[in-house]
Amino acid sequence: GQNIDQPTEMTATEGAIVQINCTYQTSGFNGLFWYQQHAGEAPTFLSYNVLDGLEEKGRFSSFLSRSKGYSYLLLKELQMKDSASYLCAVSGNYQLIWGAGTKLIIKP
Amino acid sequence: EPEVTQTPSHQVTQMGQEVILRCVPISNHLYFYWYRQILGQKVEFLVSFYNNEISEKSEIFDDQFSVERPDGSNFTLKIRSTKLEDSAMYFCASSASYEQYFGPGTRLTVT
Repeated sequence: GQNIDQPTEMTATEGAIVQINCTYQTSGFNGLFWYQQHAGEAPTFLSYNVLDGLEEKGRFSSFLSRSKGYSYLLLKELQMKDSASYLCAVSGNYQLIWGAGTKLIIKP
Repeated sequence: EPEVTQTPSHQVTQMGQEVILRCVPISNHLYFYWYRQILGQKVEFLVSFYNNEISEKSEIFDDQFSVERPDGSNFTLKIRSTKLEDSAMYFCASSASYEQYFGPGTRLTVT
């Protein structure tokens, strides 16, 4: 079967760093995506990893280990506007297989 | 910046009725997708479309669903006979390569 696991909810403090983990077991792999979704809105693209290692993009970084079926999203210098759900998704052939998302709550 | 648009933003329909959800993908994109998200649940893949045909579809995408690209710009999802459990947010997405750009979604409410 295909499975993507990520924590349901995390809480962090404004200005701090948070790491959101994702583990996956899928029949195909063409890359791993992280999306941000604010309540009632569409997902917006954050990052894409297809090779092992770290991809850095401003305050956000994403890491992938294909052998371990593991990724994380690292958010630095947290801002209140970062309060959202963070969705891990794995690309099979044409489709994206989605995790249930991690709701990140930022406290002042 | 180009974006994916969807209409209507909210559709209310009675059980058993047909609905058509419309999407205008980004103009130079070749890959199109429909996803749905039931309130409080995860995003679910429905179908992908490339070169005027379905490239992949999920178990959710049964005979009640169909997609069309009736002209050079629109991409539609039709649900022939809606059920209560079809109530969800439906997102259209398009891509030129790996990054999928999502539209704002259509909230479908079946009563």
